Amino acid sequence: AQSVTQPDIHITVSEGASLELRCNYSYGATPYLFWYVQSPGQGLQLLLKYFSGDTLVQGIKGFEAEFKRSQSSFNLRKPSVHWSDAAEYFCAISGGGADGLTFGKGTHLIIQP
Amino acid sequence: AAGVIQSPRHLIKEKRETATLKCYPIPRHDTVYWYQQGPGQDPQFLISFYEKMQSDKGSIPDRFSAQQFSDYHSELNMSSLELGDSALYFCASSFGSGGELFFGEGSRLTVL
Repeated sequence: AQSVTQPDIHITVSEGASLELRCNYSYGATPYLFWYVQSPGQGLQLLLKYFSGDTLVQGIKGFEAEFKRSQSSFNLRKPSVHWSDAAEYFCAISGGGADGLTFGKGTHLIIQP
Repeated sequence: AAGVIQSPRHLIKEKRETATLKCYPIPRHDTVYWYQQGPGQDPQFLISFYEKMQSDKGSIPDRFSAQQFSDYHSELNMSSLELGDSALYFCASSFGSGGELFFGEGSRLTVL
């Protein structure tokens, strides 16, 4: 069975500092990989996705993620966070099948002034 | 661009009542997925439909049922509601199964 692990439940970062959110997955092959952001009570917004090709993926809002096959990881990064980045971040995978996405438990990002 | 539309956005029901959520996918998308997200939880896959046929089933309770209609919209029917059904219910659509899913804003169900 496929699974996604986000080891950090909460992360606190100072505004302007760099950010890395970790994501590891378990899947029999290379899945499709996604990062979503969710503000409280809101829907899921896609930040970026990886299907194939270049392992460094650029997304919206200045985010990027790097797929590392050897580590089964797809970590999300941002060089300088803004207070508006405070939200819940979900890593997700898909095997391309009809069961859609499998999500990690999420990482709650807190931005300190 | 048109997005996934869910209605109602908010719904309050009593225990043992019935609720119906609706989802209108992006035009030309043929696959619809339903997810349930409890408070502080990650979204859990409930069920999906491709071309109006049930495609896959996840952790959907027997009290819930869903279908996809000829115009590709989908409805999630929930009966004998329990307090634990209080959650944010997301619908997503895609063109073909797999690939990128586009999510609606969600329907928040509160069971009192």
